[in-house]
Amino acid sequence: DQQVKQNSPSLSVQEGRISILNCDYTNSMFDYFLWYKKYPAEGPTFLISISSIKDKNEDGRFTVFLNKSAKHLSLHIVPSQPGDSAVYFCAASSGDKLTFGTGTRLAVRP
Amino acid sequence: EPEVTQTPSHQVTQMGQEVILRCVPISNHLYFYWYRQILGQKVEFLVSFYNNEISEKSEIFDDQFSVERPDGSNFTLKIRSTKLEDSAMYFCASSEALRGYYNSPLHFGNGTRLTVT
Repeated sequence: DQQVKQNSPSLSVQEGRISILNCDYTNSMFDYFLWYKKYPAEGPTFLISISSIKDKNEDGRFTVFLNKSAKHLSLHIVPSQPGDSAVYFCAASSGDKLTFGTGTRLAVRP
Repeated sequence: EPEVTQTPSHQVTQMGQEVILRCVPISNHLYFYWYRQILGQKVEFLVSFYNNEISEKSEIFDDQFSVERPDGSNFTLKIRSTKLEDSAMYFCASSEALRGYYNSPLHFGNGTRLTVT
């Protein structure tokens, strides 16, 4: 089941620069998209979401962009901070369930 | 900030034994979920629960699995006869409302690591 794909397993960014995490999906029935951050030994923590009727949502340092025609979304973190180092999961929903991507491990170098 | 709590953090059991994983969702939330993550794999949906009944379940959630909200605060996942392949991290989640109609993200607990030997 590859309905939600994060093709980059890891990303390394210098502190203060922009981090861009990407996600692609195949199911056009998805109507709501979310980004979660996960630290080791903890559950996923909600970051930001976007409805399929929008193309951008911003919350502080985090911005999510949705390109429905390309079935692509991205998370921008600017400026990146060392505390942002974690695994980031893209998730998409239709009905009651979330379908997760495989995650991208972000490392922010001081 | 209110949070979802799960107990135990780690459960070791022998194949064929029954296990019950426990969760206390956020108190004003109405929708409850179980997800699991096998080591190195994706987080996968198991089941959603609303108004004291299952609203959706995945193919993984077969007859060996059941969920229950035995009182006003707990939400449990039971595996009747565990198999080796049930070894995973099990995450409970809750949300205030149904996604898609409201901006209501899922809030996850820290998980129970189930090891079946």
